[in-house]
Amino acid sequence: EVQLMESGGGLVQPGGSLRLSCAASGFTFDRFAMNWVRQAPGKGLEWVSGLNGRGAGIYYADSVRGRFTISRDNAKDTLYLQMSSLRAEDTAVYFCVKGMSMGIYYAMDAWGQGTTVTVSS
Amino acid sequence: STVLTQSPSLTVAPGQTANITCVADNIAIKSVHWYQQMPGQPPVLVVYADRDRPPGIPERFSGSDSGSTATLTITRVEAGDEADYYCQVWEYETHHWAFGGGTKLTVL
Repeated sequence: EVQLMESGGGLVQPGGSLRLSCAASGFTFDRFAMNWVRQAPGKGLEWVSGLNGRGAGIYYADSVRGRFTISRDNAKDTLYLQMSSLRAEDTAVYFCVKGMSMGIYYAMDAWGQGTTVTVSS
Repeated sequence: STVLTQSPSLTVAPGQTANITCVADNIAIKSVHWYQQMPGQPPVLVVYADRDRPPGIPERFSGSDSGSTATLTITRVEAGDEADYYCQVWEYETHHWAFGGGTKLTVL
């Protein structure tokens, strides 16, 4: 069974930093693209960042490029999102999401429960 | 960048058919995916690559597209189908994922 467990969320002040982690199990981690998708309170889904199975292709939404860094440790089956220069509008539940294949452009077939990030003074 | 437009809400009676649409320029040449999100839960993939269903998704869920509109069709709608539904495409030009704004399906 595929499992994705996010951690690292919390309350942070504007301008601060936070690092999210996602521990994956139940599949061969390095064979699949991974993504972060967020959902602000009462709002829809917003893709944040993704990378392909080997991590060579890395992609960001315009809203986070230059502030967030996605990475993966295939030896630890773990996905990361380093977030800096956080803003109030980054407040959201952040989901770790698995792609259906190694390429980034395949659908997302497994989602974690999410971790909440709140940016507020 | 691609803008995916969904109606914010749709109300359907039990047993009827729900057609949830996603409108964008030339969407028929893109691969469209659909997600169902129950309140307080993460999304679940219900249709991928326009019309394929993942394992475990009932046959009542189907996808289609034509011209500028992709459609998620749910036949014999049940109370348990009440959820938000999102369409999604990969933008090859900008290397971004785009989500529609979501449609809240109410079964009443």
